[in-house]
This record gives sequence, structure tokens and C-alpha cells, in this order.
Amino acid sequence: GAVVSQHPSWVICKSGTSVKIECRSLDFQATTMFWYRQFPKQSLMLMATSNEGSKATYEQGVEKDKFLINHASLTLSTLTVTSAHPEDSSFYICSARDPPWGDQPQHFGDGTRLSIL
Amino acid sequence: QQQVKQSPQSLIVQKGGISIINCAYENTAFDYFPWYQQFPGKGPALLIAIRPDVSEKKEGRFTISFNKSAKQFSLHIMDSQPGDSATYFCAARVFNSGGSNYKLTFGKGTLLTVNP
Repeated sequence: GAVVSQHPSWVICKSGTSVKIECRSLDFQATTMFWYRQFPKQSLMLMATSNEGSKATYEQGVEKDKFLINHASLTLSTLTVTSAHPEDSSFYICSARDPPWGDQPQHFGDGTRLSIL
Repeated sequence: QQQVKQSPQSLIVQKGGISIINCAYENTAFDYFPWYQQFPGKGPALLIAIRPDVSEKKEGRFTISFNKSAKQFSLHIMDSQPGDSATYFCAARVFNSGGSNYKLTFGKGTLLTVNP
């Protein structure tokens, strides 16, 4: 149980394009989803927290207009990297938990490797 | 400012040996400490977790030792196997009042290699 699916797993695109990454909770309802960014051989850095039906909360230093997050349903959150540039190339990982309190663990997706040419 | 310090950065252990990874923190508001295992190209998977009111938790070959006064915790992998070769992250959870939610802060990770 508690499976989080990300799509696509790998995307390569030209500089200036926008890329959408989907994160789905397959067998549970996720009131809260998290988006992380991970550079090679480095740790996970939280980008934003999204609660279903409300605006995402972004971490300090993360550009809201650059990384658009939508959590329109209890099973789907999307991250759109707008006007992507080579420096946006990274491994993006989402996680989900339900409920948002207590010791329920965060369940992570397998990540999306984004390469901007 | 790194809130969770993890060491060592890399670790090589022989099959059957004990792998030990250490983490330290400063923020006393952290209330939950999970360990994650990550294989290349995959997302992290929860291994084991502990709350600060418990000094030790064991699940199979994995044990967390927690020292609240020293603000340190460690992961011990007994009888390490080549299949345990992965990157291990410690993490600490704090309530994020700005987002009305908990959030995790991760250590920098330890690359474990278990030689056959």
C-alpha cells in the first residue's frame, strides 16, 4: 500500500519550454503533498508543501512563478517548471502523506529527472 | 544553515559487518526522526523511524539509537549485505506553522557500499 507515482520519470527538453510533472497517490488520499529537488549526490531540499484545494507554501528562495504547483484533487499534484533553463536540470521528487498529522510517514515517488538543453 | 548533520559521507563495510551512520541536530522542536534508503534513480523509501521519547528502536537488522540529551541519533545495520548498498538519509520533522503542516529536513546522506 501507500504508493506514490510520478510521471514522467525522465524528460529532456529545450531551454525556454515549460515542463509539467505529475504526482499521484495511487491507493490513498493525500491531503498533503511535498515537492523536493535533489542535485546529484546531494540531499533532498524541500521546495514547497501543497494542501489539496489551497495554495502551496513555498520554501524560502524558491520562486513561486518559476515552479507552479497545483493540488486540485486528493490524489494528484502537479509541478510545472516554467520557462525552464539548464540550471533547472535536477531530480524532482514528490511525496505524499495522509493524514497530515501524527506519525504517518511520507511516501515518496521515484522522481523525475529533468534535463534542460 | 544545516539543521541535520550526517556522517560519514561514505562508508565501506564488508558483508556481515555492522554499518553505523550518525546524525546530529540542534533544533529541539524536531519531534520525529526517520531514516530513508535511496537507490540510484529512485525515490527515498522509509526504513525506520523513532520519536525522541524512545532511546532505541529495532526492526529486523536495522536499529535506531537516540540520545536526546546529546541531540544525536544513529542507524545501525547489522549483518550488512551487498543489497544494502545505497544512500541513507537521516531526517528530522518539525511543525511548519507557515504551511500548517509538518516538514522534513534531511541530512546530506551517506553512501554505503557493502562488499561481498
